[in-house]
Amino acid sequence: AQSVSQHNHHVILSEAASLELGCNYSYGGTVNLFWYVQYPGQHLQLLLKYFSGDPLVKGIKGFEAEFIKSKFSFNLRKPSVQWSDTAEYFCAVNSNNNNDMRFGAGTRLTVKP
Amino acid sequence: DAGITQSPRHKVTETGTPVTLRCHQTENHRYMYWYRQDPGHGLRLIHYSYGVKDTDKGEVSDGYSVSRSKTEDFLLTLESATSSQTSVYFCAIRKTAGQGNTEAFFGQGTRLTVV
Repeated sequence: AQSVSQHNHHVILSEAASLELGCNYSYGGTVNLFWYVQYPGQHLQLLLKYFSGDPLVKGIKGFEAEFIKSKFSFNLRKPSVQWSDTAEYFCAVNSNNNNDMRFGAGTRLTVKP
Repeated sequence: DAGITQSPRHKVTETGTPVTLRCHQTENHRYMYWYRQDPGHGLRLIHYSYGVKDTDKGEVSDGYSVSRSKTEDFLLTLESATSSQTSVYFCAIRKTAGQGNTEAFFGQGTRLTVV
């Protein structure tokens, strides 16, 4: 069955620490991968996306993610987090074979000033 | 922000009553989705539509029905609301899917409480 797994439920970091959030998927065929962010009380906003080409993609606000096909992973990274990065982060996957779009359970990031 | 409007934004209803949530878009996108967001579960897909009168079930479709009679509107109906359907509901739209994929844009959400 198609699924998306995010390993970390809650991550707490101090400002300037480096961030890596894990995302693994179970999908057949060619996949398209996304990371979304949800700030408290707001709707989801796109951070970055991967459709094809360079597996290292850069998004907004200094975030990047690397697609590793052999590991079925699309981990999100940021070298130095800020207090304003406190939010919930969702990985999402879609394949070219279907129309739906599935999300992971989310990772709540708390950045301490 | 993408032109997506969800209504109502908040609703409290009693168990056993029918409830309809509306998602309206001004982008003329083909694909529309309904998700529910619950702590520990992230976003789970309820139903989606890939065109007028074309809909399909998602992961958690039991107890929900949808209709899309116009490109711009996608309605989610809880036929007989239960407390387990207390959640935040998000509508999303996408221009394309499959090859030539694009990302989804989300509405502001509807907080539904079933008492």
